[in-house]
Amino acid sequence: QVELQQSGPGLAKPSQTLSLTCAISGDSVSNNVAAWNWIRQSPSRGLEWLGRTYYRSRWYSDYAVSLRSRIIISADTSKNQFSLQVNSVTPADTAVYFCARQNHGNQGHSFEYWGQGTLVTVSP
Amino acid sequence: DIQMTQSPSSLSAFVGDRVTITCRASQTMGNYLNWYQQKPGRAPRHLIYAASNLQSGVPSRFSGSGSGTDFTLTISSLQPEDFATYYCQHSYNTPPTFGQGTRLEIK
Repeated sequence: QVELQQSGPGLAKPSQTLSLTCAISGDSVSNNVAAWNWIRQSPSRGLEWLGRTYYRSRWYSDYAVSLRSRIIISADTSKNQFSLQVNSVTPADTAVYFCARQNHGNQGHSFEYWGQGTLVTVSP
Repeated sequence: DIQMTQSPSSLSAFVGDRVTITCRASQTMGNYLNWYQQKPGRAPRHLIYAASNLQSGVPSRFSGSGSGTDFTLTISSLQPEDFATYYCQHSYNTPPTFGQGTRLEIK
């Protein structure tokens, strides 16, 4: 059974960097049929995909166009985890952030496993 | 980006009812369509992948159908634990996007 455990601060100040980590158990971040995603949820934007990282002989990352200049998603194979950084945050980045494992081994490429969610509030 | 539109936005039903939720995509996408259930304060729970395949451990009263642009999620006989918000999501291309959700309430 795959489990994802999120960690990181729940408060960030405007212009600072939001950083969250997702620790994986029951799977490897280097699994070549999985992708490791960050998704956020807010009342104004609903469920919004932010980006992912995945390993297919080398590491790849994809990002939402709206965040591409401010976001980095990276994997740490030594700790079997992946991380999210969003730079220059504003109150519009206030949301519940989820990490999720996407299964590229089924045709739906669905988000099979989710972290518990972290409410991040951007406020002075 | 592919836009996903769910209907209805909210729905009231009795325990034991059969309910259907519809999801329409702004362009054709084969069967790269997935469904999730979310309860307040919880992460979404994966129910169905590739339009009609039940995720392991999901009760058989849940079913999905459709292809192309039109998809449905059906709950054959509502149980008290099914009252939640349901989301469709496509993975046809990047970015994957979600519908706005259908809130299912007890009548």
